[in-house]
Amino acid sequence: DVKVTQSSRYLVKRTGEKVFLECVQDMDHENMFWYRQDPGLGLRLIYFSYDVKMKEKGDIPEGYSVSREKKERFSLILESASTNQTSMYLCASRGAGLSTDTQYFGPGTRLTVL
Amino acid sequence: QKEVEQNSGPLSVPEGAIASLNCTYSDRGSQSFFWYRQYSGKSPELIMFIYSNGDKEDGRFTAQLNKASQYVSLLIRDSQPSDSATYLCAVQVTADKLIFGTGTRLQVFP
Repeated sequence: DVKVTQSSRYLVKRTGEKVFLECVQDMDHENMFWYRQDPGLGLRLIYFSYDVKMKEKGDIPEGYSVSREKKERFSLILESASTNQTSMYLCASRGAGLSTDTQYFGPGTRLTVL
Repeated sequence: QKEVEQNSGPLSVPEGAIASLNCTYSDRGSQSFFWYRQYSGKSPELIMFIYSNGDKEDGRFTAQLNKASQYVSLLIRDSQPSDSATYLCAVQVTADKLIFGTGTRLQVFP
């Protein structure tokens, strides 16, 4: 059974803080993704990684960076958190097989920036 | 900008009825299409994928794809209150990237 875990379910931070969101998958998947989900805007891709130390910008990378030092772990970093980064953050992973392979999602981290 | 459009709903159907959820997309080159279900406060989970024109059935769920019209739909037969959730349509636009619609909220009432 595929498992994608995220470090926190709920997180409250202050404006200007550096925030780390961690994601771990246990399926030896090559591809990992970070999304944010906001009401009325749906899921939007922030960054993805197709291999260790490799990363690609998604649709909304501004204000975020990522790190993938090990295959199973993909971290999202908010260098200086702002209130407009209050959102639900979802991590996903996917194997490098067929294009119809699904993305498996973690439980999400609801981040509030005060 | 590649887009995926869904009616936000809510779509209300009585228990036992057929629920029909629709999605249109803008990228003609898209090849694979996914339907995810998301319960309130939970993460999305895959229900079905489809990549060929026509219908694909899996239990009570049928996905329908019409690439000429850039239209994909999900039918849920014999709807149950447990089907009440938000349904997300996702379109594969590159080998690694999905574009998601904003979702349709389905309510199945007893």
